[in-house]
Amino acid sequence: AQSVSQHNHHVILSEAASLELGCNYSYGGTVNLFWYVQYPGQHLQLLLKYFSGDPLVKGIKGFEAEFIKSKFSFNLRKPSVQWSDTAEYFCAVIPGYSSASKIIFGSGTRLSIRP
Amino acid sequence: GAGVSQSPRYKVTKRGQDVALRCDPISGHVSLYWYRQALGQGPEFLTYFNYEAQQDKSGLPNDRFSAERPEGSISTLTIQRTEQRDSAMYRCASSPRTSGVSNEQFFGPGTRLTVL
Repeated sequence: AQSVSQHNHHVILSEAASLELGCNYSYGGTVNLFWYVQYPGQHLQLLLKYFSGDPLVKGIKGFEAEFIKSKFSFNLRKPSVQWSDTAEYFCAVIPGYSSASKIIFGSGTRLSIRP
Repeated sequence: GAGVSQSPRYKVTKRGQDVALRCDPISGHVSLYWYRQALGQGPEFLTYFNYEAQQDKSGLPNDRFSAERPEGSISTLTIQRTEQRDSAMYRCASSPRTSGVSNEQFFGPGTRLTVL
């Protein structure tokens, strides 16, 4: 079945550690890719997005993601995490064949940062 | 308003009761989406509207679920004869343009529904 997979359900890091959250999708053809973040008690917010062009995308708060088409991946990275990055992170896809902006989400990765 | 608002934020109901969840999109946004998020999962698409027209309701799980957006602004998601398995966070999002893959969606805070 077509899906979005996030490999880690819960990641625990110390402050200043580097972060990489994995995301793979199973849709062929054109895709539009997103990472959303939900901080404790807040709304889902867009962290970054890829539609076309440079496969290395920079988002807010020092996050970046790289689209690797051959690997069907869109991993999220940050070189040095802060305690304030504690949140739940969702990878998401809109398949290019979709005529509507139906976002298909992964199951999420909870990130906990130790101060 | 400044963002998407949803009400109520929390709803506890007894099995068999009907519930209505409201979404007020960002002013001027033409598209509105409903998603459902079970505990430990990502949001799942339910339905969406362009203006007042419901474009796709393929994600609604069964005929107890319905949605409307009669004037192309506020939307209501109604669940009839609620069941415990309906317990979830219901999220609404709006976007400034009609369907198109580059169309960013802005999410509201969600309504946490608990069916006892």
